[in-house]
Amino acid sequence: GENVEQHPSTLSVQEGDSAVIKCTYSDSASNYFPWYKQELGKGPQLIIDIRSNVGEKKDQRIAVTLNKTAKHFSLHITETQPEDSAVYFCAAIVTDSWGKLQFGAGTQVVVTP
Amino acid sequence: SAVISQKPSRDICQRGTSLTIQCQVDSQVTMMFWYRQQPGQSLTLIATANQGSEATYESGFVIDKFPISRPNLTFSTLTVSNMSPEDSSIYLCSVGDGRYEQYFGPGTRLTVT
Repeated sequence: GENVEQHPSTLSVQEGDSAVIKCTYSDSASNYFPWYKQELGKGPQLIIDIRSNVGEKKDQRIAVTLNKTAKHFSLHITETQPEDSAVYFCAAIVTDSWGKLQFGAGTQVVVTP
Repeated sequence: SAVISQKPSRDICQRGTSLTIQCQVDSQVTMMFWYRQQPGQSLTLIATANQGSEATYESGFVIDKFPISRPNLTFSTLTVSNMSPEDSSIYLCSVGDGRYEQYFGPGTRLTVT
């Protein structure tokens, strides 16, 4: 089955700097790659996603890139703010798996003022 | 995106008892899923709740321990049976079309003593 690896496990950045989280996946049949932000005591929130026919997608300060050949995708957060502090999860869905999300281990992001 | 609610939001239960968690969506959805998130860990899919048929369980999860109901397109329940301290986790429901976007509820925080 699909296996998703996520790095780093923790990331500390100064406010205003950029943060990058990287994930790799194993199943070439994966076709959808969402990113979730989970704040303490809350459920995961879908913040951005990318489909396998797209190489890059941007939404204000966040962007995701996908390299299908290398089987990796990354989340980029620019101009980080304290409210970006949370745990971020990458995930992948394999085609025809009926929506089964395979999650990475998560990255704890801490933005210090 | 759909608005998802879960009840209860948290509970403390005694070993050997059972707890039923409810998931309600404000619109009809094709797929509903149940995930477990153990303390400080990532999310693991327990099962896919199918309307009108039995749930589909992932490896390591069985119906006797986690019975699931899906009586209609907006509601599902997950029961955690014969609980032990190892069942202490956050239980999350999610909804989606089975191919792409998947949205999560706020979670139910369960502590078993």
